[in-house]
Amino acid sequence: QSVLTQPPSVSAAPGQKVTISCSGSSSNIENNYVSWYQQLPGTAPKLIIYDNNERPSGIPDRFSGSKSGTSATLGITGLQTGDEADYYCETWDSSLSVVVFGGGTKLTVL
Amino acid sequence: QVHLVESGGGVLQPGRSLRLSCAASGFTFSNYGMHWVRQAPGKGLEWVAVIWSDGSKKYYPDSVKGRFTISRDNSKNTLYLQMNSLRAEDTAVYYCARDDSNLGNALDMWGQGTMVTVSS
Repeated sequence: QSVLTQPPSVSAAPGQKVTISCSGSSSNIENNYVSWYQQLPGTAPKLIIYDNNERPSGIPDRFSGSKSGTSATLGITGLQTGDEADYYCETWDSSLSVVVFGGGTKLTVL
Repeated sequence: QVHLVESGGGVLQPGRSLRLSCAASGFTFSNYGMHWVRQAPGKGLEWVAVIWSDGSKKYYPDSVKGRFTISRDNSKNTLYLQMNSLRAEDTAVYYCARDDSNLGNALDMWGQGTMVTVSS
């Protein structure tokens, strides 16, 4: 049972837009930065969003992040088959003094 | 170029100990906090430990607290994870990752992982 709640799966057609939610609490998401990671099959996770809504260099602007209260959202526009991956949200939990990950969301591009 | 290379994984019986290493290159290792994150087969990411850049602070989740110890040798640019009293549920790929305080403490670089299998 993850501290951060994500939908197990989402799907959309190529070229469409999808959003992935990440729900937490005041001790984690609301008062700390949220990061998002993409994990392609058989590879290590890769940072795609930090500081709630910032993209590391090399990450296309098709990827976006937002946060409101105790929830965060990852958005991906112009979906490509290469975006098929597992996506994880992550932040610090100030009450528990631990890093917490969401359970992960599998994106399928139909 | 930033590189993190884990090593030390293997197959061992429950109750045994193992030490993982993570060799860092391409950046000033002593300036960054470091994490261990694991992923059981077919499961999601689970955070295992973090150590401050100077080694002064360490944190663990309850699932490994008292059994695992994170440490680092900044003179050797190497991160370690000492794992004792291993259990079947510790079976996972173990990744080391760099913590960048300039990026809101995001884990901006990851190694390729090393597999640990605990089985009788």
